[in-house]
Formats: sequence, structure tokens, C-alpha cells
Amino acid sequence: GAGVSQSPSNKVTEKGKDVELRCDPISGHTALYWYRQRLGQGLEFLIYFQGNSAPDKSGLPSDRFSAERTGESVSTLTIQRTQQEDSAVYLCASSLMGVAGPTDTQYFGPGTRLTVL
Amino acid sequence: AQSVTQLGSHVSVSEGALVLLRCNYSSSVPPYLFWYVQYPNQGLQLLLKYTTGATLVKGINGFEAEFKKSETSFHLTKPSAHMSDAAEYFCAVTERGSQGNLIFGKGTKLSVKP
Repeated sequence: GAGVSQSPSNKVTEKGKDVELRCDPISGHTALYWYRQRLGQGLEFLIYFQGNSAPDKSGLPSDRFSAERTGESVSTLTIQRTQQEDSAVYLCASSLMGVAGPTDTQYFGPGTRLTVL
Repeated sequence: AQSVTQLGSHVSVSEGALVLLRCNYSSSVPPYLFWYVQYPNQGLQLLLKYTTGATLVKGINGFEAEFKKSETSFHLTKPSAHMSDAAEYFCAVTERGSQGNLIFGKGTKLSVKP
């Protein structure tokens, strides 16, 4: 079956513009995660959705970042007034999040490479 | 707060040699442990995970890892490297009772010389 997909694959924007990044998880996966991978650093957790709810938004780096999920499917990560430090690869992952909970395997999309000029 | 340390940002081995990638976690309560691999221009793929039971875990492509509670370690090994193993490897943990978000190490880039 289809894996996790993300769009666009690459996005170049000017400082101060808003961007939207999209994630399509594996069908039936109730859990969805966003991570950020900045050059030379490890992956950093941003936000988690269980269904359409995000119980913990504390990983978002600033109030310029927001995310939503609809229909227990597609998720959008929005970055307002982009800054150069937002340049990174943004990764989305989904998992069944059934009884196994935090041991469920997360399946990652290919990422969106964001470059802020 | 939990942290994951991967010793060596770059490791180079010859084809056929042993691969050893090191990973240590910081918490006194053992977390759940994962190794992911990222091939060039591809997404992250799960290699193996330890949740409970036998401490030696076998994964895909001949890799295995051993959970050692006394050393707070989860090192990844492969007896004989292949050129196709060249990739970046990430150790990650999730904490018991958490929402499942992965806490990653900074990654180790493995090069394999012919």
C-alpha cells in the first residue's frame, strides 16, 4: 500500500512569507508526528496528533508554527513569517498507535526541504 | 530530560569489516529503543527496535543491536559491511507512558570503502 507522502518536496521562500507543508499519512494510522531536521543536528520533535487532536504542542519552536489535522488524515504544518533559522527538512511520520502505544513503528515520509532566503 | 548520544558523527569501514555504531541513552528508566536508517535521498526506515524480552534484537539487512541496561546502551552491529550499507543511522527512544514521540540522536554517517 501507499506510504506516507509529503508535499511539496522542496520549497524555497523569502524571509517573512508564510508556508504550508502537507502530510498524507498511511490510511488507518491514527497517530501522526511532525519532526524537523536542521543541518548538522538530529531530528527534533514538533507536534503529535492522535486523531484530529494535538494534546501536546510544546515541541513547536515558536508561535509562528501551527499545525492541524482533518478527517483523521491529512495534516498541514504552517509556518508564518518565516525566518532563515526555519530552513530545515520537515518530516512527517504516522503510526497505528493502537495498544502498543509508544512502541508502535513510525513510518516516515520523504520530507519537505524548506529553504528560507 | 531524556537524551540520546551517538558516538561518532562519521564512521568509515572497509567492505566486509565489522560495523559498530554506538548509542547511549540518559534516563535511569529504560526507554523503548529504535534504530532508523536514512539512505541518500530517501526517507527514514526502521531497522529494528527493542521493547521488551530478549535483549539482542535482529533487524533487516543483517543488522542487530543489544540492549544493555547496565551500560544504558543500544549499540548497532553488523558482522560484515556491504557497500549498500552506506547511509546515515539514527538511534532513537520513546519513553514509557509517552505519546510516542521519538527522541533522536544526532546520527552517524556510515561510509563503506571498497
